[in-house]
Amino acid sequence: IAGITQAPTSQILAAGRRMTLRCTQDMRHNAMYWYRQDLGLGLRLIHYSNTAGTTGKGEVPDGYSVSRANTDDFPLTLASAVPSQTSVYFCASSETLAGRDEQFFGPGTRLTVL
Amino acid sequence: GQQLNQSPQSMFIQEGEDVSMNCTSSSIFNTWLWYKQDPGEGPVLLIALYKAGELTSNGRLTAQFGITRKDSFLNISASIPSDVGIYFCAGRLVPGEKLTFGTGTRLTIIP
Repeated sequence: IAGITQAPTSQILAAGRRMTLRCTQDMRHNAMYWYRQDLGLGLRLIHYSNTAGTTGKGEVPDGYSVSRANTDDFPLTLASAVPSQTSVYFCASSETLAGRDEQFFGPGTRLTVL
Repeated sequence: GQQLNQSPQSMFIQEGEDVSMNCTSSSIFNTWLWYKQDPGEGPVLLIALYKAGELTSNGRLTAQFGITRKDSFLNISASIPSDVGIYFCAGRLVPGEKLTFGTGTRLTIIP
């Protein structure tokens, strides 16, 4: 593994179903993030984690939950999917050294909720 | 909350032309980042800027951190087909704070 991996690559899901998007990084970065990307809206932050064991809400957290049990993994869960959650989801990570905090992105998961 | 206005939204250029795009913020930023996203992939970091007035190059790409700290510019010289994609700016007020992303500039090269 090199960088950030996401799974699945794409998924079609019935409304009301539970779904977990997986994200793993091997860079030992402290911080991890989940974004959704919708046409014309750019990248919007869903949840983030500054370090293992802590999480925080981003701009659009409703309907999503996250956990950060260890440094490498940051799964995103949709407890009961709705069609408005159809989007492309990107996981990102950053080292969070003081003053230098570039984020690196995974390849994305394309989710369709019917 | 903070807002980032990125312009233009889209550009149609011929191969070999130079490209300019910019981002403006309603707030002062201490960090500006520029990303490129190819179709079906995640954004890739192009250039990071940490100081007002800073001018940084990465090959044919040059980005500047505006003196007012409320804007940033990205220029691409002598465009080639692989420059096609969506370019995003992102900014942060203080280290460790979450990034705010622009809505992107879609670059298309006309054959």
